Amino acid sequence: EAGVVQSPRYKIIEKKQPVAFWCNPISGHNTLYWYRQNLGQGPELLIRYENEEAVDDSQLPKDRFSAERLKGVDSTLKIQPAELGDSAVYLCASRSGQYMNTEAFFGQGTRLTVV
Amino acid sequence: AQSVSQHNHHVILSEAASLELGCNYSYGGTVNLFWYVQYPGQHLQLLLKYFSGDPLVKGIKGFEAEFIKSKFSFNLRKPSVQWSDTAEYFCAVMGSLGSASKIIFGSGTRLSIRP
Repeated sequence: EAGVVQSPRYKIIEKKQPVAFWCNPISGHNTLYWYRQNLGQGPELLIRYENEEAVDDSQLPKDRFSAERLKGVDSTLKIQPAELGDSAVYLCASRSGQYMNTEAFFGQGTRLTVV
Repeated sequence: AQSVSQHNHHVILSEAASLELGCNYSYGGTVNLFWYVQYPGQHLQLLLKYFSGDPLVKGIKGFEAEFIKSKFSFNLRKPSVQWSDTAEYFCAVMGSLGSASKIIFGSGTRLSIRP
């Protein structure tokens, strides 16, 4: 079974530039999460999707961050414009939300460096 | 609101020593609990999970955790650590009411094993 796939693995951009991250969840997983992980800290939830609906985006900085999950499969997270403080690892995870007793599976993450 | 506390930021042990990492959570309903591990350069992987039933759960690589409801705790244990256990360990909680499937992580504990 293929895991959660994220791209790119690494991205270096100048501040004020836009950037986008892509995630393809495990087939059949209807719940998708985007997390941000700063160095030495735990993942912080940015947004959670149930199918194509964003059910929890309270932690997403909506002035510069946006996300979409068209057709309820793969998802894109965008930052525009990026700031120095956005440097972090962006993690995507998916879960079979059809059943309560399931765990989330994580991708390798995208390490973003804003210079 | 859900929250998770991991009180040990960095733990250093010698090989064959016993390990216990603390995890306390805050949530007003039934919870599902997880421990994830992140080996250097790798993605987050599930170590073990608790959904219901026996509060003592066994995971991979000899790890176990005990859910103590009265203490809101889910501590991770291993009787004898190996150098290969060097990694970052994250406790996570998923609530079963309202914001079901929202997974919140603790800040993590870095485990260093001296050979």
